[in-house]
Amino acid sequence: KAGVTQTPRYLIKTRGQQVTLSCSPISGHRSVSWYQQTPGQGLQFLFEYFSETQRNKGNFPGRFSGRQFSNSRSEMNVSTLELGDSALYLCASSLDQGAGNTIYFGEGSWLTVV
Amino acid sequence: GDSVTQMEGPVTLSEEAFLTINCTYTATGYPSLFWYVQYPGEGLQLLLKATKADDKGSNKGFEATYRKETTSFHLEKGSVQVSDSAVYFCALTGSARQLTFGSGTQLTVLP
Repeated sequence: KAGVTQTPRYLIKTRGQQVTLSCSPISGHRSVSWYQQTPGQGLQFLFEYFSETQRNKGNFPGRFSGRQFSNSRSEMNVSTLELGDSALYLCASSLDQGAGNTIYFGEGSWLTVV
Repeated sequence: GDSVTQMEGPVTLSEEAFLTINCTYTATGYPSLFWYVQYPGEGLQLLLKATKADDKGSNKGFEATYRKETTSFHLEKGSVQVSDSAVYFCALTGSARQLTFGSGTQLTVLP
């Protein structure tokens, strides 16, 4: 069974640009969540989608947005990039969040903003 | 809100040494507890989990027991290998239905 797949793996963007990251969850998983990992702030929750609806959102500015499609695939978008957005962005999927369900992570997308 | 406090690193051990990484948590209700491992340049891999008090999660020689009375979920391994060198994250899912992570512990095992 294929794991969580994220694309692209690596990308470099310029300040002020926008970026879209893609995530394909494990087959059958309807919950997709996104996390940002930086050396200074550690792992922080961005948002979670279930059946195309955002159910939960972390404490990030409105420049960070996401969506989920009917096939459970998800994208996240960051507009007006800042240097501080340089991070590893991790997508995770599960049958459902909470209730002890295991949450599986992808390899991540490394974003560098210059 | 929910929080996880994890033993500060880095931790350096010799091969075959005993490993303990401490983890305590604060959460309302009955959270599920996890340990994830991250190898250099990779995403997070689930190492083990426990969903209720007194449950013991185990995998690849690693163990952790869900202790509600001490709100702890310490990770242990009896004999570490060089290949265990990685960053270990303690995490929980609580009422907020999202993973809350500790700060991570870098483990280096020397041959």
